[in-house]
Amino acid sequence: GAGVSQSPSNKVTEKGKDVELRCDPISGHTALYWYRQSLGQGLEFLIYFQGNSAPDKSGLPSDRFSAERTGGSVSTLTIQRTQQEDSAVYLCASSPYQGLGAVVVAKNIQYFGAGTRLSVL
Amino acid sequence: KNQVEQSPQSLIILEGKNCTLQCNYTVSPFSNLRWYKQDTGRGPVSLTIMTFSENTKSNGRYTATLDADTKQSSLHITASQLSDSASYICVVSPARWGFGNVLHCGSGTQVIVLP
Repeated sequence: GAGVSQSPSNKVTEKGKDVELRCDPISGHTALYWYRQSLGQGLEFLIYFQGNSAPDKSGLPSDRFSAERTGGSVSTLTIQRTQQEDSAVYLCASSPYQGLGAVVVAKNIQYFGAGTRLSVL
Repeated sequence: KNQVEQSPQSLIILEGKNCTLQCNYTVSPFSNLRWYKQDTGRGPVSLTIMTFSENTKSNGRYTATLDADTKQSSLHITASQLSDSASYICVVSPARWGFGNVLHCGSGTQVIVLP
């Protein structure tokens, strides 16, 4: 089946504008993660969803960042009043199950989308 | 087809034992390869980063190797501990950070360490 789909693949915006990034996870995957990678940096965790709820929002860099997930499927990451330091690749990943345990160990794998390249001018 | 393939998909080992995870990639040209550890529900933590000229890099009980000719990397965990239970993700960066380039991430290997 289809993998994790992110849109747009590339986004160029002006400083101060709002942007919305979209992630379509693999159908049936309950967990969804957002990361970003800035130039020369490692992956930075932003937020994850279990179903529609986000138990861990600790990674969001500021209150300009927000994310939501509806219907346990599509998620959107919104960045308000973008700054140049927001320029990065934003990655989304989904996983069939959130948790450890021998029964579900084979399912706790994250499948990554190709990312959205955001450039703030 | 994913340009970064990891194996095995999952792995169960006993505490104190060693294990090796594999990462094969086709990304070219290639800049660097990173291994991350991700605990359930947490963000990934960088373990090692290697450029094409480096063959091995260690971080405590974690040792990564890289063969840029065969495009293969491995992550070896020595004397495993219960806290090593996590997902290990291989991430490859293309050589040129240009407009439109994205990271290539493997699907991860889930490691469970049993007492």
